[in-house]
Amino acid sequence: GQNIDQPTEMTATEGAIVQINCTYQTSGFNGLFWYQQHAGEAPTFLSYNVLDGLEEKGRFSSFLSRSKGYSYLLLKELQMKDSASYLCAVRDSNYQLIWGAGTKLIIKP
Amino acid sequence: TAGITQAPTSQILAAGRSMTLRCTQDMRHNAMYWYRQDLGLGLRLIHYSNTAGTTGKGEVPDGYSVSRANTDDFPLTLASAVPSQTSVYFCASSAVTSGGADTQYFGPGTRLTVL
Repeated sequence: GQNIDQPTEMTATEGAIVQINCTYQTSGFNGLFWYQQHAGEAPTFLSYNVLDGLEEKGRFSSFLSRSKGYSYLLLKELQMKDSASYLCAVRDSNYQLIWGAGTKLIIKP
Repeated sequence: TAGITQAPTSQILAAGRSMTLRCTQDMRHNAMYWYRQDLGLGLRLIHYSNTAGTTGKGEVPDGYSVSRANTDDFPLTLASAVPSQTSVYFCASSAVTSGGADTQYFGPGTRLTVL
């Protein structure tokens, strides 16, 4: 079967760094996406990785290791507005997205 | 730019009634999708359409139907609602490039309660 695993909830302090992990087992791999979803709102696109390595975009970075079926999202200089759920999704061999349940990130002052 | 719009924003529906959730995009994306999101679960694909005139079944299609008469609109119909269809429904769209479907962009969602 296809499976995406990520922690249910994480807590971090404003100004700190947090790493949200995602492991996957899917039928085929055509890229991995990270989305941000604030409570009561739609998911919004954050990053995309298809090759191994780190993609940096401002305070957010995303890493991929295809051989390990592993990705992480790194958030630096945390702000209160970063409190949200972070969704990991893998595009499988049929080009459909398989979604993790999301990681709820709580930022404390 | 509107992007993707969904209607209604929320709805309470009696079990056994039918309902159509509307979704319209103005980005001229070929592909469109319907997901449901339930607490503790990832987004689950209900139906999708890779281009106008074609539709396909996702992970949880039972009890739902879709049509894609044109590029912009992708309505989702519940023929006879049941309480287990209580959920938040998101419509999404993406361009389709030579490498396959591109990044998906989401509408604001419809919160549906079936009593």
